[in-house]
Amino acid sequence: EAGVTQFPSHSVIEKGQTVTLRCDPISGHDNLYWYRRVMGKEIKFLLHFVKESKQDESGMPNNRFLAERTGGTYSTLKVQPAELEDSGVYFCASSQDTWDYGYTFGSGTRLTVV
Amino acid sequence: GDSVTQMEGPVTLSEEAFLTINCTYTATGYPSLFWYVQYPGEGLQLLLKATKADDKGSNKGFEATYRKETTSFHLEKGSVQVSDSAVYFCALSDWSNTGKLIFGQGTTLQVKP
Repeated sequence: EAGVTQFPSHSVIEKGQTVTLRCDPISGHDNLYWYRRVMGKEIKFLLHFVKESKQDESGMPNNRFLAERTGGTYSTLKVQPAELEDSGVYFCASSQDTWDYGYTFGSGTRLTVV
Repeated sequence: GDSVTQMEGPVTLSEEAFLTINCTYTATGYPSLFWYVQYPGEGLQLLLKATKADDKGSNKGFEATYRKETTSFHLEKGSVQVSDSAVYFCALSDWSNTGKLIFGQGTTLQVKP
């Protein structure tokens, strides 16, 4: 089966611009998670979708971040306007069940804001 | 809140050396514990897990034992290979059991031939 796909793999944008990251989960996986790793620190949870519904968005840093999951398939994470501290690697993961912690991660999008 | 602390890296070892990467945690309730690995250019992969105290997770020669008394989950391997070079992340499951993971900061391992 195809894995979790994220694109772009890298993005360099200027402060104040908008960037949209995309995640295609494994087909049939209802649960989709976004995480990010900033500056070599710990990977932090951003939010969790169950199908198209936001189950938990407690990790979203502020209202410059907007996540959507249209039709319960792929998800997008938009940052508008981007700030320097948003630089990092954004990971997406999907799973069949919420208790399945061995969920599959994508290879991440490295975002650099200059 | 819940948290995970890993030893700082990078860790540089020669091939066939013994590896230990320390991980301690603070958690509410009885979390499950995990080690994830990220090889260069790839996504995170689950390496091993343990779901209750005294459980030992193992995979690909790596082992870790869930120690409730010391709140630790140290990763060990008896003989590392160059192909083990990667970033290793210790993690625990959030108390709410919604699939949310709490990660440590990651430890970079470099194995030299």
